[in-house]
Amino acid sequence: GAGVSQSPSNKVTEKGKDVELRCDPISGHTALYWYRQSLGQGLEFLIYFQGNSAPDKSGLPSDRFSAERTGGSVSTLTIQRTQQEDSAVYLCASSLWGIDTEAFFGQGTRLTVV
Amino acid sequence: GESVGLHLPTLSVQEGDNSIINCAYSNSASDYFIWYKQESGKGPQFIIDIRSNMDKRQGQRVTVLLNKTVKHLSLQIAATQPGDSAVYFCAEKKGAQKLVFGQGTRLTINP
Repeated sequence: GAGVSQSPSNKVTEKGKDVELRCDPISGHTALYWYRQSLGQGLEFLIYFQGNSAPDKSGLPSDRFSAERTGGSVSTLTIQRTQQEDSAVYLCASSLWGIDTEAFFGQGTRLTVV
Repeated sequence: GESVGLHLPTLSVQEGDNSIINCAYSNSASDYFIWYKQESGKGPQFIIDIRSNMDKRQGQRVTVLLNKTVKHLSLQIAATQPGDSAVYFCAEKKGAQKLVFGQGTRLTINP
Protein backbone atom coordinates (compact mmCIF):
# COMPACT_ATOMS: atom_id res chain seq x y z
CA GLY A 1 0.00 0.00 0.00
CA ALA A 2 0.90 3.65 -0.09
CA GLY A 3 1.58 3.92 3.62
CA VAL A 4 1.66 2.05 6.88
CA SER A 5 -1.76 0.64 7.64
CA GLN A 6 -2.97 -0.29 11.10
CA SER A 7 -6.13 -2.05 12.13
CA PRO A 8 -8.42 -1.66 13.84
CA SER A 9 -8.32 2.10 14.16
CA ASN A 10 -10.22 1.89 17.42
CA LYS A 11 -10.67 -0.98 19.82
CA VAL A 12 -12.67 -1.08 23.02
CA THR A 13 -12.20 -4.18 25.12
CA GLU A 14 -13.11 -5.40 28.54
CA LYS A 15 -10.48 -5.73 31.19
CA GLY A 16 -8.99 -9.20 31.16
CA LYS A 17 -9.61 -9.87 27.47
CA ASP A 18 -6.86 -10.42 24.91
CA VAL A 19 -6.46 -8.09 21.94
CA GLU A 20 -4.53 -8.26 18.68
CA LEU A 21 -3.41 -5.17 16.82
CA ARG A 22 -2.27 -5.41 13.23
CA CYS A 23 0.30 -3.45 11.25
CA ASP A 24 0.86 -3.62 7.50
CA PRO A 25 4.17 -1.87 6.76
CA ILE A 26 5.12 -0.22 3.51
CA SER A 27 6.01 -2.87 0.97
CA GLY A 28 9.74 -3.54 0.87
CA HIS A 29 10.49 -1.99 4.25
CA THR A 30 12.66 -4.29 6.29
CA ALA A 31 12.36 -2.49 9.64
CA LEU A 32 9.19 -2.31 11.72
CA TYR A 33 8.60 -0.65 15.07
CA TRP A 34 5.81 -0.57 17.63
CA TYR A 35 5.37 2.40 19.96
CA ARG A 36 2.77 3.26 22.56
CA GLN A 37 1.47 6.76 23.15
CA SER A 38 -0.57 7.58 26.21
CA LEU A 39 -2.77 10.67 26.20
CA GLY A 40 -0.66 13.80 25.96
CA GLN A 41 2.56 11.85 26.23
CA GLY A 42 5.53 11.04 24.06
CA LEU A 43 6.11 7.78 22.27
CA GLU A 44 7.21 4.81 24.31
CA PHE A 45 9.25 2.24 22.41
CA LEU A 46 7.87 -1.30 22.58
CA ILE A 47 9.58 -3.54 20.02
CA TYR A 48 11.66 -3.38 16.84
CA PHE A 49 11.97 -5.89 13.99
CA GLN A 50 14.76 -5.74 11.43
CA GLY A 51 14.74 -8.29 8.64
CA ASN A 52 15.38 -11.80 9.90
CA SER A 53 17.25 -10.65 13.01
CA ALA A 54 15.96 -11.36 16.48
CA PRO A 55 13.61 -8.51 17.48
CA ASP A 56 14.56 -5.94 20.08
CA LYS A 57 11.89 -6.55 22.72
CA SER A 58 13.45 -4.37 25.37
CA GLY A 59 10.52 -1.97 25.50
CA LEU A 60 7.73 -4.44 26.13
CA PRO A 61 6.30 -3.45 29.52
CA SER A 62 5.32 -6.91 30.71
CA ASP A 63 5.04 -10.51 29.60
CA ARG A 64 1.42 -9.84 28.70
CA PHE A 65 2.75 -8.07 25.62
CA SER A 66 4.11 -9.93 22.63
CA ALA A 67 4.59 -9.25 18.94
CA GLU A 68 5.43 -11.20 15.87
CA ARG A 69 6.20 -10.39 12.31
CA THR A 70 5.32 -13.00 9.74
CA GLY A 71 7.24 -13.33 6.51
CA GLY A 72 9.05 -10.08 7.14
CA SER A 73 5.89 -8.13 6.46
CA VAL A 74 2.71 -7.94 8.56
CA SER A 75 3.11 -7.62 12.31
CA THR A 76 0.69 -8.28 15.12
CA LEU A 77 0.98 -6.92 18.64
CA THR A 78 -0.87 -9.03 21.18
CA ILE A 79 -1.83 -7.89 24.65
CA GLN A 80 -3.12 -10.62 26.93
CA ARG A 81 -5.35 -10.07 29.93
CA THR A 82 -5.67 -6.38 29.19
CA GLN A 83 -5.57 -3.87 32.03
CA GLN A 84 -6.90 -0.32 32.13
CA GLU A 85 -3.38 1.06 32.08
CA ASP A 86 -2.93 -0.54 28.66
CA SER A 87 -5.30 2.08 27.24
CA ALA A 88 -3.29 4.14 24.76
CA VAL A 89 -2.68 4.68 21.07
CA TYR A 90 -0.46 1.98 19.63
CA LEU A 91 1.62 3.21 16.72
CA CYS A 92 3.46 1.18 14.14
CA ALA A 93 6.20 2.51 11.88
CA SER A 94 8.34 1.03 9.13
CA SER A 95 11.51 2.12 7.41
CA LEU A 96 13.47 0.86 4.47
CA TRP A 97 16.63 -0.35 6.17
CA GLY A 98 16.52 0.68 9.79
CA ILE A 99 16.39 3.73 11.94
CA ASP A 100 18.91 5.63 9.84
CA THR A 101 16.30 5.77 7.15
CA GLU A 102 13.08 7.69 7.49
CA ALA A 103 10.44 5.95 9.55
CA PHE A 104 6.85 6.25 8.37
CA PHE A 105 4.12 5.94 10.97
CA GLY A 106 0.64 4.55 10.65
CA GLN A 107 -2.43 6.27 12.07
CA GLY A 108 -2.34 4.14 15.17
CA THR A 109 -4.85 1.96 16.98
CA ARG A 110 -6.62 3.60 19.88
CA LEU A 111 -7.11 0.95 22.54
CA THR A 112 -9.54 1.55 25.37
CA VAL A 113 -9.79 -1.00 28.16
CA VAL A 114 -12.99 -0.68 30.18
CA GLY B 1 20.99 8.54 29.95
CA GLU B 2 17.65 7.41 28.65
CA SER B 3 15.74 10.59 28.18
CA VAL B 4 15.21 13.18 25.57
CA GLY B 5 13.41 16.14 27.02
CA LEU B 6 11.84 19.35 25.82
CA HIS B 7 12.16 22.71 27.52
CA LEU B 8 8.58 23.86 26.95
CA PRO B 9 5.43 21.77 26.73
CA THR B 10 3.47 24.50 24.88
CA LEU B 11 4.36 27.31 22.52
CA SER B 12 2.11 29.94 21.00
CA VAL B 13 3.22 32.16 18.14
CA GLN B 14 1.57 34.63 15.81
CA GLU B 15 0.95 33.54 12.27
CA GLY B 16 3.85 34.64 10.14
CA ASP B 17 6.33 34.74 12.98
CA ASN B 18 9.21 32.31 13.34
CA SER B 19 9.04 29.64 16.01
CA ILE B 20 11.77 27.76 17.81
CA ILE B 21 11.18 24.47 19.55
CA ASN B 22 13.92 23.21 21.80
CA CYS B 23 15.03 19.79 22.91
CA ALA B 24 17.70 18.56 25.32
CA TYR B 25 19.17 15.10 25.06
CA SER B 26 21.22 13.24 27.59
CA ASN B 27 23.19 10.64 25.66
CA SER B 28 26.34 12.23 24.25
CA ALA B 29 26.90 9.09 22.16
CA SER B 30 23.69 9.60 20.19
CA ASP B 31 24.48 10.17 16.56
CA TYR B 32 21.16 10.70 14.88
CA PHE B 33 18.25 12.97 15.68
CA ILE B 34 14.86 13.42 14.09
CA TRP B 35 12.03 15.90 14.44
CA TYR B 36 8.48 14.65 13.98
CA LYS B 37 5.21 16.53 13.68
CA GLN B 38 2.02 14.99 14.96
CA GLU B 39 -1.35 16.44 14.11
CA SER B 40 -4.42 15.50 16.08
CA GLY B 41 -5.56 11.97 15.39
CA LYS B 42 -2.64 11.16 13.14
CA GLY B 43 0.63 9.34 13.45
CA PRO B 44 3.90 11.29 13.69
CA GLN B 45 5.22 12.63 10.42
CA PHE B 46 8.92 13.00 9.68
CA ILE B 47 10.03 16.61 9.31
CA ILE B 48 13.80 16.68 9.25
CA ASP B 49 16.77 14.78 10.59
CA ILE B 50 20.35 15.56 11.44
CA ARG B 51 23.41 13.47 12.13
CA SER B 52 25.94 14.27 14.78
CA ASN B 53 28.62 15.23 12.26
CA MET B 54 26.51 18.26 11.33
CA ASP B 55 25.58 21.44 13.22
CA LYS B 56 22.77 22.61 10.99
CA ARG B 57 20.44 21.28 8.37
CA GLN B 58 17.83 23.16 6.41
CA GLY B 59 14.63 22.02 4.81
CA GLN B 60 11.66 23.82 3.44
CA ARG B 61 10.85 26.50 6.05
CA VAL B 62 12.49 24.37 8.74
CA THR B 63 15.98 24.35 10.14
CA VAL B 64 17.41 21.99 12.72
CA LEU B 65 20.36 23.05 14.83
CA LEU B 66 22.48 20.65 16.83
CA ASN B 67 24.76 21.79 19.63
CA LYS B 68 26.69 18.76 20.80
CA THR B 69 28.59 20.72 23.43
CA VAL B 70 25.46 21.32 25.47
CA LYS B 71 23.48 18.41 24.00
CA HIS B 72 20.78 20.64 22.63
CA LEU B 73 18.64 20.33 19.53
CA SER B 74 16.25 22.91 18.12
CA LEU B 75 13.73 23.12 15.34
CA GLN B 76 13.13 26.48 13.73
CA ILE B 77 10.02 27.02 11.65
CA ALA B 78 10.00 30.13 9.50
CA ALA B 79 6.90 32.18 8.73
CA THR B 80 4.56 29.90 10.65
CA GLN B 81 1.23 29.00 9.12
CA PRO B 82 -1.97 27.66 10.67
CA GLY B 83 -1.09 24.23 9.32
CA ASP B 84 2.00 24.19 11.50
CA SER B 85 -0.16 23.78 14.60
CA ALA B 86 0.70 20.35 15.98
CA VAL B 87 2.75 18.57 18.58
CA TYR B 88 6.42 18.39 17.73
CA PHE B 89 8.64 15.60 19.00
CA CYS B 90 12.36 15.27 18.91
CA ALA B 91 13.76 11.76 18.82
CA GLU B 92 17.22 10.47 19.52
CA LYS B 93 18.79 7.34 18.17
CA LYS B 94 19.75 5.25 21.14
CA GLY B 95 21.66 2.02 21.07
CA ALA B 96 21.82 0.09 17.86
CA GLN B 97 18.50 1.02 16.38
CA LYS B 98 16.00 2.26 18.95
CA LEU B 99 14.55 5.76 18.76
CA VAL B 100 13.77 7.51 22.04
CA PHE B 101 11.13 10.21 21.82
CA GLY B 102 10.75 13.29 23.95
CA GLN B 103 7.59 14.46 25.66
CA GLY B 104 6.52 16.76 22.82
CA THR B 105 5.79 20.47 22.45
CA ARG B 106 2.38 21.67 21.37
CA LEU B 107 2.73 24.52 18.90
CA THR B 108 -0.29 26.80 18.51
CA ILE B 109 -0.44 29.39 15.75
CA ASN B 110 -2.51 32.46 16.59
CA PRO B 111 -4.20 34.32 13.73
